[in-house]
Amino acid sequence: DAKTTQPPSMDCAEGRAANLPCNHSTISGNEYVYWYRQIHSQGPQYIIHGLKNNETNEMASLIITEDRKSSTLILPHATLRDTAVYYCIVRSFTDKLIFGTGTRLQVFP
Amino acid sequence: GAVVSQHPSRVICKSGTSVKIECRSLDFQATTMFWYRQFPKQSLMLMATSNEGSKATYEQGVEKDKFLINHASLTLSTLTVTSAHPEDSSFYICSARDHGRAGNTIYFGEGSWLTVV
Repeated sequence: DAKTTQPPSMDCAEGRAANLPCNHSTISGNEYVYWYRQIHSQGPQYIIHGLKNNETNEMASLIITEDRKSSTLILPHATLRDTAVYYCIVRSFTDKLIFGTGTRLQVFP
Repeated sequence: GAVVSQHPSRVICKSGTSVKIECRSLDFQATTMFWYRQFPKQSLMLMATSNEGSKATYEQGVEKDKFLINHASLTLSTLTVTSAHPEDSSFYICSARDHGRAGNTIYFGEGSWLTVV
């Protein structure tokens, strides 16, 4: 699986958009970009995934660059409950997910 | 609601004993499940792939005789930590994919905290 690079930490004011970047420059054509988050002492929670096109669901939006070498997860209106570690993962045809170090997002009042 | 469930959520055991952690897929069948371990302030580390009806596949550096995995049914995988030591204290998490659910998504259990004293 391709490696991903994320900033170790970010801060965001409550109510503002949180934009979390991820680099995956070695991604292959059939590999998806997945985002999960982990709140302290819980299992990872699925957020969103995409292949080429931008995606949006009730939790977040995913913007993937045209060359697919990077992506951005957007939480449009961050709340205190969005404080968590966010993992960007590149997934191939297997169900095996390899986690990087993630970004620790701190949402402050 | 949760689609993958783990039990127990917390367990304390004595050094030298064995402890079993269960991972269940709820309302779907999972021929493959995955087991991860996470130490405090670290990322998840994949330990092994649990295959229904066959032997588990272990990642490099994971002792198969210490971490016994059994996937006897399509909805249950178990991880047994044998002869546990304090250094085995960790957060253990499993995952599985619901093939019947749109989105090709992999779901994780709530995790199981193991403390060896």
